[in-house]
Amino acid sequence: DGGITQSPKYLFRKEGQNVTLSCEQNLNHDAMYWYRQDPGQGLRLIYYSQIVNDFQKGDIAEGYSVSREKKESFPLTVTSAQKNPTAFYLCASGGQGLQPQHFGDGTRLSIL
Amino acid sequence: AQKITQTQPGMFVQEKEAVTLDCTYDTSDPSYGLFWYKQPSSGEMIFLIYQGSYDQQNATEGRYSLNFQKARKSANLVISASQLGDSAMYFCAMRDGYMDTGRRALTFGSGTRLQVQP
Repeated sequence: DGGITQSPKYLFRKEGQNVTLSCEQNLNHDAMYWYRQDPGQGLRLIYYSQIVNDFQKGDIAEGYSVSREKKESFPLTVTSAQKNPTAFYLCASGGQGLQPQHFGDGTRLSIL
Repeated sequence: AQKITQTQPGMFVQEKEAVTLDCTYDTSDPSYGLFWYKQPSSGEMIFLIYQGSYDQQNATEGRYSLNFQKARKSANLVISASQLGDSAMYFCAMRDGYMDTGRRALTFGSGTRLQVQP
C-alpha cells in the first residue's frame, strides 16, 4: 500500500549528539515536509522540500538540517545545536492545490 | 501572516450527539484551503475534510461537515452522531496561495481535545 514510513518510532539522544530521523514515501509526491509537535500543541513547520535537491526553511529550522537527494526520501537531522529537541516529529508529503497532506506515524525523540 | 485559532482546548460530548469544534483563521490571500485533521492518542494525523475558499457549498464527508462562514473567517467542524472512537485531538489547518506553486505547507491551530462520553 502507498504511504509514508517514518523510523524509528522512538529515539533517544545524548547531549552533543546528532540524530537522524528517516522519512520515506511511495506516493510519488514531489513535496515533503517536516513538522514538530510539542505536548498539547499544534504542528510547526521545520523544513519543506518541493522538489528533489531543493528545500526551504520553515518557521523553526534552527538546530535542524535536511537533505532531499531522492524523491522518496527526506531525512531530518536534529543537531546538537537544537537545545530542546524533545518532541514528536511528523513527516508529510503531497498537498498540491487543495489536496491534503499525508502524514507518517511520527517519531518521538527524547533526551537521555 | 496567516494564523489559525482554536479557542476550545477541550470539549465533552455525549455519545450519539452532535458537536461543533471552532476554528477561525486570518489570511490576506483570496485563495486558501482549510483542512481538519484528527489525531488519536497513537499520534498519527488523519485527514477528515477540507474546504476551498472559492467553494460555494459547505464540505461534507460522512459524519463530518464543515460550517464555512467566509465573512466571519470561520471554518467550524461539525461531527454528527458522535462515537466513542471520535475521542481524539482535532486540528484545523490552512494553506493559503494554493493556486500557485509556492509554499504548500500547512499552518496549524493548537487543537481541541474531544472526549466522547458513553
